[in-house]
Amino acid sequence: AQSVTQLDSQVPVFEEAPVELRCNYSSSVSVYLFWYVQYPNQGLQLLLKYLSGSTLVKGINGFEAEFNKSQTSFHLRKPSVHISDTAEYFCAVSSNDYKLSFGAGTTVTVRA
Amino acid sequence: GAVVSQHPSWVICKSGTSVKIECRSLDFQATTMFWYRQFPKQSLMLMATSNEGSKATYEQGVEKDKFLINHASLTLSTLTVTSAHPEDSSFYICSAAALGDEDEQYFGPGTRLTVT
Repeated sequence: AQSVTQLDSQVPVFEEAPVELRCNYSSSVSVYLFWYVQYPNQGLQLLLKYLSGSTLVKGINGFEAEFNKSQTSFHLRKPSVHISDTAEYFCAVSSNDYKLSFGAGTTVTVRA
Repeated sequence: GAVVSQHPSWVICKSGTSVKIECRSLDFQATTMFWYRQFPKQSLMLMATSNEGSKATYEQGVEKDKFLINHASLTLSTLTVTSAHPEDSSFYICSAAALGDEDEQYFGPGTRLTVT
């Protein structure tokens, strides 16, 4: 079994400031890790994923995340946010059965 | 590419009636489709996994007789909420995974169900 903990439920941030969303996971097997973004009343859009290889993963819209196996973390970062980055962000983990387990989500609110 | 659609996008029904939600992969063949439920301001909860041509596998606590899932083709899965009640009101989201690319799921835009 696997689980995901997103440590911050809400993150307010000013426009053009950096943001980091924290995600920790637990699993007894090798995992795949994902970050999704959800805009109001919409489905999920994949930001980035880690399957194997380089621990630093770059995604869409300027986001990146780093897989840290020793700390079982997969934190998401963006150096400079825009108003349009206001959304809900979900960290997720899956293993070889491809079932996704999601964290509780982090609401990012970008203010001018 | 990799577009998943859902229909309807929102639906209101009366208590006791049944509602069918369709999930389609528009530009790829989806060997596996997943159905999730999301309550307001909460995360997604996996309800069931369906593979084309076989019975769906339901997660613990999900009533298979209430949430009927059919995956009749490689591009279509349906979720029928039978005898709906107000507590079934939720946002239902499907996702699809393609053959040979099962590590990534493509999500539909979701269906908001309101049972009155």
